[in-house]
Amino acid sequence: EVQLLESGGGLVQRGGSLRLSCAASGINFKDYGMSWVRQTPGKGLEWVAGISGSGGSTYYADSVKGRFTISRDNSKNTVSLQMNSLRAEDTAVYFCAKFEAASTLGPFDTWGQGTLVTVSS
Amino acid sequence: EIVLTQSPDTLSLSPGERATLSCRASQRVASTYLAWYQQKSGQAPRLLISGASTRATGIPDRFSGSGSGTDFSLSISRVEPEDFAVYFCQQYGTSPSITFGQGTRLEIK
Repeated sequence: EVQLLESGGGLVQRGGSLRLSCAASGINFKDYGMSWVRQTPGKGLEWVAGISGSGGSTYYADSVKGRFTISRDNSKNTVSLQMNSLRAEDTAVYFCAKFEAASTLGPFDTWGQGTLVTVSS
Repeated sequence: EIVLTQSPDTLSLSPGERATLSCRASQRVASTYLAWYQQKSGQAPRLLISGASTRATGIPDRFSGSGSGTDFSLSISRVEPEDFAVYFCQQYGTSPSITFGQGTRLEIK
């Protein structure tokens, strides 16, 4: 069974930093692109960042470009999201999600349970 | 960016009735790049349909997807009690062109 487990969420002040991690199990991790998606009651689901299976290609939503960095460690089956210069509007539940293949093309066939990030102003 | 607009915002039905949810795109979406998800309260989204009409593994055949171009729909032939949830459509392609609709809440009438 494929499982994704996020960690690292919490309360942070505006302008601060936070690093989220997602540990994958039950898959040959390097064979799949990974992504972070966030959800707020007001804005719904928003794709944040994606990374290919090899880690060689990364993509970001305009709203986080230059502030967030996605990375992966295929030896540890983990994907991370480094979030800097956090803003109130970054407050959300952050989900780790798996693409169907090594690229970042396709739907998300597996999601983690999410981790809450709250940015205080 | 392709904007997806779902309708209705809320759909009130009784168990056993047929549900039809709509997803309209602001630009043409290649039909292989449209997905539907179900999300229950406090849970992560679950993939139901990809490629506009292909059910994901383990999804009951009462769920079906259709459409092309800018108009897509998700149908539930006979709504079961466990189907009451929020449904999202998503268009995807090479990142960063991933967007979601705002969701349709299917509630018990």
